[in-house]
Amino acid sequence: EVKLVNSGGVVVQPGGSLRLSCAASGFTFDDYSMHWVRQPPGKGLEWVSVISWDGGSTYYADSVKGRFTISRDNSKNSLYLQMNSLTTEDTALYYCAKGRGYSSSWSSFDYWGQGTLVTVSS
Amino acid sequence: EIVLTQSPGTLSLSPGERATLSCRASQILSGTYLAWYQQKPGQAPRLLIYDASTRATGIPDRFSGSGSGTDFILTISRLEPEDFAVYYCHHFGTSPLTFGGGTKVEIK
Repeated sequence: EVKLVNSGGVVVQPGGSLRLSCAASGFTFDDYSMHWVRQPPGKGLEWVSVISWDGGSTYYADSVKGRFTISRDNSKNSLYLQMNSLTTEDTALYYCAKGRGYSSSWSSFDYWGQGTLVTVSS
Repeated sequence: EIVLTQSPGTLSLSPGERATLSCRASQILSGTYLAWYQQKPGQAPRLLIYDASTRATGIPDRFSGSGSGTDFILTISRLEPEDFAVYYCHHFGTSPLTFGGGTKVEIK
């Protein structure tokens, strides 16, 4: 059974930093791209970032470029999102999601984590 | 950036009725890099359709997707009580990936 377990959500002050983690199991982690998607409370979905299966390629939404860094540790079946210079606009439920396509960064998301809430507030 | 516009914003229907949800892209999508997700309150989104018309594993055949270019449709042939939810279309062909704003299907 595929499982993606998010962790790391907290309340953080504006300008602060936070690292989210996503632990994967039930599939060959290093065969698939992984994504972060966020959802502000009561609003729609926003794609944040993708990392290729081998970590060699990363892409970001303009809203987080230069502030967020996606990474993965294939030896630990884990995905990360380092978030710096946080603003109130970053308050959202953050989901990790698995790319459906084998070895492709461009595919739909067939499995999602349960999400972790990040609240940026003073 | 490809903008996806979903309509209507809310669809009020009764169980057993047919639901037709629209997703229009701001430019032609190369290939069929379009997916549909269902999201219920307090849950993560669930993949329904990928590549515009292929049902994901375990998705009932009352769900179908169609379209190409800039216009895509998600059809639910006969609404079941568990189908009342928010539906999002999603473009994944290139960065930045984008989502539509969602269509809420509510019980009339």
